Amino acid sequence: KQEVTQIPAALSVPEGENLVLNCSFTDSAIYNLQWFRQDPGKGLTSLLLIQSSQREQTSGRLNASLDKSSGRSTLYIAASQPGDSATYLCAVLDFGNEKLTFGTGTRLTIIP
Amino acid sequence: GAGVSQSPSNKVTEKGKDVELRCDPISGHTALYWYRQSLGQGLEFLIYFQGNSAPDKSGLPSDRFSAERTGGSVSTLTIQRTQQEDSAVYLCASSSQLRGEGRFSNQPQHFGDGTRLSIL
Repeated sequence: KQEVTQIPAALSVPEGENLVLNCSFTDSAIYNLQWFRQDPGKGLTSLLLIQSSQREQTSGRLNASLDKSSGRSTLYIAASQPGDSATYLCAVLDFGNEKLTFGTGTRLTIIP
Repeated sequence: GAGVSQSPSNKVTEKGKDVELRCDPISGHTALYWYRQSLGQGLEFLIYFQGNSAPDKSGLPSDRFSAERTGGSVSTLTIQRTQQEDSAVYLCASSSQLRGEGRFSNQPQHFGDGTRLSIL
């Protein structure tokens, strides 16, 4: 059974700093990995999706990497802003499966 | 709007009552998912619909939970004889599909804002 872990559970950093969020998964037979953000009382917003054949994806100040063999992904946020404050979730889609398995998230707070 | 729409946004009901939650997916999306987000439990999969195929109900926690999708579009999640442990945010997502590498590939899932269900 796939298990997804995110460390740390919470993170506070001053505005302007670069930061890295971590995600690890136990079964490397994944089809893709997706990073989401969730604002309080809201649904999930898809940030980046990495196919299993890819090593990274970039969107603006966000860069997500994937090392499938070691079961790890990172989300790098450059030049953090207060608007980046949210909970960040990673989720994997396994082969032969159509449902995402989610990590428990990292609650990020950017201090102005 | 162009996004996934869920209603109601909030629902408070008494234990033992039945509830229906509605999801309007993005137009043209063939895949529809229901997830539940409980405090301390994270997000868990409930059920998945793909086109006209039989749904994957493997995540439904008990036979009090059921879902249907009419006409390949709108979906309703029904919880019968609600219990306090059913209190959670119920999220719906939809996605399109592309075929590649010998299987259909579900594209990024787009989520609604959820229904916050509180059982008194």
